[in-house]
Amino acid sequence: EAQVTQNPRYLITVTGKKLTVTCSQNMNHEYMSWYRQDPGLGLRQIYYSMNVEVTDKGDVPEGYKVSRKEKRNFPLILESPSPNQTSLYFCASSLGGGVTEAFFGQGTRLTVV
Amino acid sequence: GENVEQHPSTLSVQEGDSAVIKCTYSDSASNYFPWYKQELGKGPQLIIDIRSNVGEKKDQRIAVTLNKTAKHFSLHITETQPEDSAVYFCAASSTGRRALTFGSGTRLQVQP
Repeated sequence: EAQVTQNPRYLITVTGKKLTVTCSQNMNHEYMSWYRQDPGLGLRQIYYSMNVEVTDKGDVPEGYKVSRKEKRNFPLILESPSPNQTSLYFCASSLGGGVTEAFFGQGTRLTVV
Repeated sequence: GENVEQHPSTLSVQEGDSAVIKCTYSDSASNYFPWYKQELGKGPQLIIDIRSNVGEKKDQRIAVTLNKTAKHFSLHITETQPEDSAVYFCAASSTGRRALTFGSGTRLQVQP
């Protein structure tokens, strides 16, 4: 089954404690992205990757890091989480960037206290 | 950059009625306009999309219309059913862009 898998689904952490949210896709897609979803703001792109070792900032990259060492995996790293990073996070993959269907993971609800 | 505005933010209809959600975009270069449905506890899922060379597209009970001159596009759901209850997002992008720009979402509730 074609899917994007994120882990964990739920995470509560304390300010400043580094965390990683994993994302994996099995569709051999070149493009992968991370979005955050906040009430009234829709989905905003954090980072994207066009291929292995190729990443770039999206609209809201501050406080986040990513890496793409393998085509299927695209982890999101928060080196020093802060309460304003409390949000619902989605990983997505697509065949051809912004003009092809994006496949989303189930989401990770992060709370930073 | 692109800016997408979506209205209304919430919409409640009776089962069997039609629902219409409207979006406007700012970048005249945008040529791809998808709609995503997000059910509770799940990620968004594409339900229909339209490209700029087409004015209307239908898929069973859902349809999307595009007016490039006015820079707006709309989602139409006919004969609504309770399972249509979800949050709907419009989005816009253009060839060469790396990501979609999403609207703020519409929570649709279909009352049985």
